Amino acid sequence: DAGVIQSPRHEVTEMGQEVTLRCKPISGHNSLFWYRQTMMRGLELLIYFNNNVPIDDSGMPEDRFSAKMPNASFSTLKIQPSEPRDSAVYFCASTRLGQEQFFGPGTRLTVL
Amino acid sequence: GQQLNQSPQSMFIQEGEDVSMNCTSSSIFNTWLWYKQDPGEGPVLLIALYKAGELTSNGRLTAQFGITRKDSFLNISASIPSDVGIYFCAGQINSGGSNYKLTFGKGTLLTVNP
Repeated sequence: DAGVIQSPRHEVTEMGQEVTLRCKPISGHNSLFWYRQTMMRGLELLIYFNNNVPIDDSGMPEDRFSAKMPNASFSTLKIQPSEPRDSAVYFCASTRLGQEQFFGPGTRLTVL
Repeated sequence: GQQLNQSPQSMFIQEGEDVSMNCTSSSIFNTWLWYKQDPGEGPVLLIALYKAGELTSNGRLTAQFGITRKDSFLNISASIPSDVGIYFCAGQINSGGSNYKLTFGKGTLLTVNP
């Protein structure tokens, strides 16, 4: 089992640029979560999907953030335009029917 | 929303010592989870607790789900250098349907001196 796959692992961009983070959940898992981790705020849930449908996006900080899950094996988190305060590690996690959440390795985003 | 208070924030111990960390909440959770995060990696589940009062062990790790369902602790016995990392507690409210949200504590950074 390949586990949750995230890409890129590292992203450095300039303020104002569009950033797209990608996630491939574990095959057979039907729930997908996007988290953001910072020193100040810890791990925060941004949004999660069940069966490709967004269930709760109350953690999405601003309209600059959007997430999609076009099919069961792929999700994106987009930030447009990016700002320096968006710098963080972004994790994707997946689970089957509310069981253990398996986390990906994360994408470290730096916005200059 | 729910908040978890995790303590201590950091610990520096000698190899072989026992470690204890805990989480408290003002809200009730139906499930308590403990995760460990190694540098450059995502969190990995260590122990899951599903019933109030439950005491569960996983090797040198022991965790308990508080009777009030508002707290949990994690103990590590006879620490070794590879125990180094950040430990997170997480609470889940299983409100039925499709609500599988986790609320995480801020983490405990554990350093083990050989």
